[in-house]
Amino acid sequence: KQEVTQIPAALSVPEGENLVLNCSFTDSAIYNLQWFRQDPGKGLTSLLLIQSSQREQTSGRLNASLDKSSGRSTLYIAASQPGDSATYLCAVRGGTDKLIFGTGTRLQVFP
Amino acid sequence: GAVVSQHPSRVICKSGTSVKIECRSLDFQATTMFWYRQFPKQSLMLMATSNEGSKATYEQGVEKDKFLINHASLTLSTLTVTSAHPEDSSFYICSATYTGGTGNIQYFGAGTRLSVL
Repeated sequence: KQEVTQIPAALSVPEGENLVLNCSFTDSAIYNLQWFRQDPGKGLTSLLLIQSSQREQTSGRLNASLDKSSGRSTLYIAASQPGDSATYLCAVRGGTDKLIFGTGTRLQVFP
Repeated sequence: GAVVSQHPSRVICKSGTSVKIECRSLDFQATTMFWYRQFPKQSLMLMATSNEGSKATYEQGVEKDKFLINHASLTLSTLTVTSAHPEDSSFYICSATYTGGTGNIQYFGAGTRLSVL
């Protein structure tokens, strides 16, 4: 059974810092991995999707890497801003369309 | 990008009543939709897979008679929480699978916050 864990569970940093959020999964047989952002009481916003054959994806200040063999992904946020404050979720997709979500990292960036 | 609409965004009801939540794919057809549940400060838990024209597939531990799912068309799936009780209070989110491009991608609705008094 696939299990997805995210570390740290919570993070509070001053504005401008570069951040690394970690995601690990127990079954390396994944189809893709996706990073989402969730604001309090809101739905999910997809940030980056990495196919199993890819090593990384970039979008603006965000960079996500994938090491499928070791069951790990990282989300790198450069020059963090208060507007980045949210919960970040990673999710892996196996052979079906089902997504298994991680436990989430609650990020707070203060001015 | 593809848009998924979920309605209502918030509902407050009395214990014992039934609540229906709609999930619509606005600009694409979705043969498969998913329903998730999220408790405060926890991650999303998959409840069931909604298949157009056939019965939903429920995850282990999810009561199918409690959470009725109907996927009558390629753009609409509904989740009905029957005889809701306070322990059913939660955030419910749907997603619809868009097929095309680089593969199947799920797009999510904005969620429905259910509060049962």
